Amino acid sequence: AQKVTQAQTEISVVEKEDVTLDCVYETRDTTYYLFWYKQPPSGELVFLIRRNSFDEQNEISGRYSWNFQKSTSSFNFTITASQVVDSAVYFCALSGWETSGSRLTFGEGTQLTVNP
Amino acid sequence: DTGVSQDPRHKITKRGQNVTFRCDPISEHNRLYWYRQTLGQGPEFLTYFQNEAQLEKSRLLSDRFSAERPKGSFSTLEIQRTEQGDSAMYLCASSLGRTPRDIQYFGAGTRLSVL
Repeated sequence: AQKVTQAQTEISVVEKEDVTLDCVYETRDTTYYLFWYKQPPSGELVFLIRRNSFDEQNEISGRYSWNFQKSTSSFNFTITASQVVDSAVYFCALSGWETSGSRLTFGEGTQLTVNP
Repeated sequence: DTGVSQDPRHKITKRGQNVTFRCDPISEHNRLYWYRQTLGQGPEFLTYFQNEAQLEKSRLLSDRFSAERPKGSFSTLEIQRTEQGDSAMYLCASSLGRTPRDIQYFGAGTRLSVL
């Protein structure tokens, strides 16, 4: 079975602080994909990034960066110089070739609040 | 470029009534998914379609739930004899391809409240 754990239920920061959202996963698949989605109050899940299990190179996109470590089964997400517009619920998700197919297994989400 | 569209956005119903939700995927996306999200939780997979064929159903999908995707375009999710435990956000997603690698794009969801 696949499992995604986001241990931080809620995080509150002040604008311009850096913040890291943790994601730990479990899977028996050898080929799998990890995703991060953002869910603002409007409800729509917005895709942020996809990573495959063979690519451990960290990625940076503007103020966002992702750290994938296969050895610890973690795929953490850092927002640098946070802004009020970053306030949302963030979900980490997993799919895999062997067991789950294309359906996504989500973590419980981390509610991020950025205060002005 | 239109995203995934869901209708209605909100539905309030009384216990025992039937409800139907609609999802219009991104044009030319062959795969369509339904997920359910309860308060404070991540979305949970319900079912998915490849064109008009329903390929997999979760155990969460009791026999009161039925989904269709006639002609491989829009999809409907019907809940019969609603129960208070059905109160949740129902999310639809679509993807161009059929692999675990393909990105799923989500709609804004239908929030169901069963009184």
